[in-house]
This record gives sequence, structure tokens and C-alpha cells, in this order.
Amino acid sequence: GAVVSQHPSWVICKSGTSVKIECRSLDFQATTMFWYRQFPKQSLMLMATSNEGSKATYEQGVEKDKFLINHASLTLSTLTVTSAHPEDSSFYICSAVVTAKDLSGNTIYFGEGSWLTVV
Amino acid sequence: SQQGEEDPQALSIQEGENATMNCSYKTSINNLQWYRQNSGRGLVHLILIRSNEREKHSGRLRVTLDTSKKSSSLLITASRAADTASYFCAPRSSGNTPLVFGKGTRLSVIA
Repeated sequence: GAVVSQHPSWVICKSGTSVKIECRSLDFQATTMFWYRQFPKQSLMLMATSNEGSKATYEQGVEKDKFLINHASLTLSTLTVTSAHPEDSSFYICSAVVTAKDLSGNTIYFGEGSWLTVV
Repeated sequence: SQQGEEDPQALSIQEGENATMNCSYKTSINNLQWYRQNSGRGLVHLILIRSNEREKHSGRLRVTLDTSKKSSSLLITASRAADTASYFCAPRSSGNTPLVFGKGTRLSVIA
């Protein structure tokens, strides 16, 4: 299957600082990527849809000024957690759409996830 | 986007047994995808079944889809301890909509 790479795998940062997480599609172009967060023993929560060359679409309750998403190229989307606080500590996962010849075959692949700990 | 609901929420079996997980959804779909998540890791894509397909196989995995009942099942045959993970289904209604996840099925395979 297609490969989606996230970096870093884990990061520790101090309260008040910003941290950037990268999501790359390694062997395909992705016009659309999605960002999720996951708390321990809970399901994935969709944060936003990232579209190449345009503004991200955020889910209700997700602060767009706190979670900055940039999708500047067809292979890279970034999530920046600004002014991080301990409650932002979580597992962040990105995913990317592999477009098939027929839309019913569009497949979504996920990155390995990034653990963020804010101290 | 619509969310799939997995059942059971937890399943514990002995190594070598088969594991069956079910998924229900509410509106018509283009396809349905199954994923596995090991603890603290990303999601691994297992299989995609289109709305016009009824059954699909991949190794020890067998997925069925019944669009009339709006349900799907994932069967893992001859389970191994390494199959221990959470399994999620993801129904999709259109091309580029995001996947929305339910709570998944936590499978424990005991050696």
C-alpha cells in the first residue's frame, strides 16, 4: 500500500512553545490529507481536512488559530500546535487520500502518528 | 461523513481460533475500509470493499458487505497473538470525505 510518513514520532515541549508535526505522502501525491488526535483508550477524533493550496477545514470545536495546518505541496501537510499546553498532550495522526480511477476505490492511508507531550 | 459502529467492543480468543467483528452504518456508501491499530501506533489499512462487492479476501482476512443490511464483517482466521489490536471500520459515502471512527473492536488473542 501507499506510505504516509509522520515526523517526529514523539516530541516533548515546554508549555507556551509551538511544535510542528509533518505528514508526508512518500510515493503518491495527496491533494487531501486529514488530521486526527487520539487520547489514550479512545477513538480517533477528526480535527481538520487539509487541502493542497487552500485553507484547511476545521471540525467544530477545533481552534484553527491553535492548530495551524498548512498543505503547501502535494506531498506535505504540517500541523503546528501553537502555544502548547499540557492538555494538548495527545497522539496526533495524519492520513492521506490515494485517488483511484474510480472514486469508489479511493483509499486512505495513515501515518504512524506523533506523540506530543507538553510539560 | 458517517461513522461505523463496531461490535463487539471487546473480543478475547485463543490463538488459532477465528475472530469475527461486525460493523454497522446508516447511509449508503461507496466503499468501506477496515483498519487495524496496535496500541500507540498509527492505523494500518487492511482491506477496502466497494459497495458493489459482497466479499473480499486478503490472506487470513475475509470481509463481507451487505448493503441491504448496511453491515460488514471482518473475519480473521487462525488468529495469532500478533493480531491483538483494535480494529476499526470506516464507511465512506463519497470520494474525498474524511473517515469518522467509532470505538472499534479491541481484539485480544491469547497464546
